Amino acid sequence: GAVVSQHPSRVICKSGTSVKIECRSLDFQATTMFWYRQFPKQSLMLMATSNEGSKATYEQGVEKDKFLINHASLTLSTLTVTSAHPEDSSFYICSARAMGQVLTGELFFGEGSRLTVL
Amino acid sequence: AQTVTQSQPEMSVQEAETVTLSCTYDTSESDYYLFWYKQPPSRQMILVIRQEAYKQQNATENRFSVNFQKAAKSFSLKISDSQLGDAAMYFCAYRFNYGGSQGNLIFGKGTKLSVKP
Repeated sequence: GAVVSQHPSRVICKSGTSVKIECRSLDFQATTMFWYRQFPKQSLMLMATSNEGSKATYEQGVEKDKFLINHASLTLSTLTVTSAHPEDSSFYICSARAMGQVLTGELFFGEGSRLTVL
Repeated sequence: AQTVTQSQPEMSVQEAETVTLSCTYDTSESDYYLFWYKQPPSRQMILVIRQEAYKQQNATENRFSVNFQKAAKSFSLKISDSQLGDAAMYFCAYRFNYGGSQGNLIFGKGTKLSVKP
């Protein structure tokens, strides 16, 4: 199946700093990528939808100035948590849909990134 | 708005036995997809099985099968001959299907499956 790579898998940072998480589709082109946040023992909550070459669409309640998303190419989307605070500590997961696969519905997921803000 | 409900926070099954995980959903649409994803301790989401709403036949993938009841908006997952490697969180997910849709998934809260040796 298609492979999505997410990096870093774990990151620890100090409060006030910014952290960038990368999501790459390794063997396919992804016009659309999704960023999810998962709290411990909870489900995945969609944060934003990222489309190549255009601005991301954020879900209600997600601060776009805090969670910067860039989808600069068909294989790379980045999530930058700006001025991170302890409450931003969470597990972040990206997923991607391959070009031409809109009708199949399947999304391919990255391995996730655990962010801990001290 | 579409919602997905998994009423079983935790389930347990004996190795080699069969277990069924429940999922119900709410939608006013007629054309959509339903999925079961598995999230093992590694946290990597893995697609287990997919069902297109317009298909009456229940999807099957080896030991995994679904019971799709469209009228009842029910989509349960049956795991036969359970194996230790099946232990994971299982998420039921819904995706609306229409032209131009972004295609994001709506997830249930998950069911933690334990497999006893």
